[in-house]
Amino acid sequence: QVQLQQWGAGLLKPSETLSLTCAVYGGSFNDFFWIWMRQVPGKGLEWIGEISYSGITNYSPSLKSRVTISIETSKNQFSLRLRSVTAADTAVYYCVRGRLRIVDGGYERSFDPWSQGTLVTVSS
Amino acid sequence: AIQMTQSPSSLSASVGDRVTITCRASQDIRNNLGWYQQKPGRAPELLIYTASNLRSGVPSRFSGSGSGTDFTLTINSLQPEDFATYYCLQDYNYPRTFGQGTKVELK
Repeated sequence: QVQLQQWGAGLLKPSETLSLTCAVYGGSFNDFFWIWMRQVPGKGLEWIGEISYSGITNYSPSLKSRVTISIETSKNQFSLRLRSVTAADTAVYYCVRGRLRIVDGGYERSFDPWSQGTLVTVSS
Repeated sequence: AIQMTQSPSSLSASVGDRVTITCRASQDIRNNLGWYQQKPGRAPELLIYTASNLRSGVPSRFSGSGSGTDFTLTINSLQPEDFATYYCLQDYNYPRTFGQGTKVELK
């Protein structure tokens, strides 16, 4: 059964760079795409961006100027970097596996599983 | 960006009730919608993908329907473990966007 385990610094100061890495265990890596999501405590979910196995990225327009998602296929890992963080970036960050299947009449996408999440706090 | 409007934002229900949550997209998203369940302190979990496909292992009391702009998540015979917050997510185009969530509470 596939598992996603993430790590990275949990406490940052304003203007620093958030850096998280997600490792994929127990499943194929190259048949999927890989996503970062976040959730401000007590609030809703936000899609940050995603990367394909071949390295094609898509980012949220609201974060695009500060975010980079990269992939290291040899290690079955992908990473998130968010520059110049502020208190508004305080959130639980999740890494997620995405699956795309082409079926009659269109596409099937699913986002599963999710990692356990990492709370990143930005505070001076 | 596509706006996803989810309703209600919260509801109170009893064990055994039938619960319906709706999600409306600001434009046609065909059937590119998923439903997620989140319990306190836990990561979200996929329930339904492509509007009506039940993820393997999810109880059959959960079902999804809809296409275009209007979608529904139905929970038949609500169970104690179903008290949680539910989110819809459109994956029709970028950026992916969520509904604001529906908290299902015990009446």
